[in-house]
Amino acid sequence: QVQLQESGPGLVKPSETLSLTCTVSGGSIRSDYWSWIRQPPGKGLEWIGYIYYNGNTNYNPSLKSRVTISIDTSTNQFSLKLSSVTAADTAVYYCARDNSWFDPWGQGTVVTVSS
Amino acid sequence: DIVMTQSPDSLAVSLGERATINCKSSQSVLYSSNNKNYLAWYQQKPGQPPKVLIYWASTRESGVPDRFSGSGSGTDFTLTIRSLQAEDVAVYYCQQYYRTPRTFGQGTKVEIK
Repeated sequence: QVQLQESGPGLVKPSETLSLTCTVSGGSIRSDYWSWIRQPPGKGLEWIGYIYYNGNTNYNPSLKSRVTISIDTSTNQFSLKLSSVTAADTAVYYCARDNSWFDPWGQGTVVTVSS
Repeated sequence: DIVMTQSPDSLAVSLGERATINCKSSQSVLYSSNNKNYLAWYQQKPGQPPKVLIYWASTRESGVPDRFSGSGSGTDFTLTIRSLQAEDVAVYYCQQYYRTPRTFGQGTKVEIK
């Protein structure tokens, strides 16, 4: 079955760019939509945006000016870049297959924004 | 954005008893052309990602125990755990996919009384 795994730096300095990659295994990324979702410590879930295998994207307007999601079908990976980060961007970042609902999810990766 | 509001924020239920979680959307998530409610429910246990339980408001995901059920339409929805088990202790979220941005409720924490 499809599995997802996030990877990337766990610590990012304020004002810099957060970069994460999600590797999809057990199936092709050349179908479905793929999303990023985050969860600040002790808080709820926020959808960041999705990408389709052809590169079409849809971002949450609350983050749109700072977010870029890209996809590499040759490596079965998609990526998240979030620019100009602040402490408010500290969260667990999840990638997930987007069927409109999210399933499955990666295990999540903790990203802390701190100098 | 469609705002999702869950109630209560937390509840404590005795083992074997019923747990009921409510979710209200700020606008209808019922798509009239197919009569489907664009709503999902998730369970999140500590240190784990959320897991989908229900989609289309009442369709149980494969492998989810039948003690979990979803109901409701339009703007008001309910997740019911028919007979609470110890392994059901978790935070539960609703999520709408009627419109982007996709949005979640704030979560309801279920504990054992």
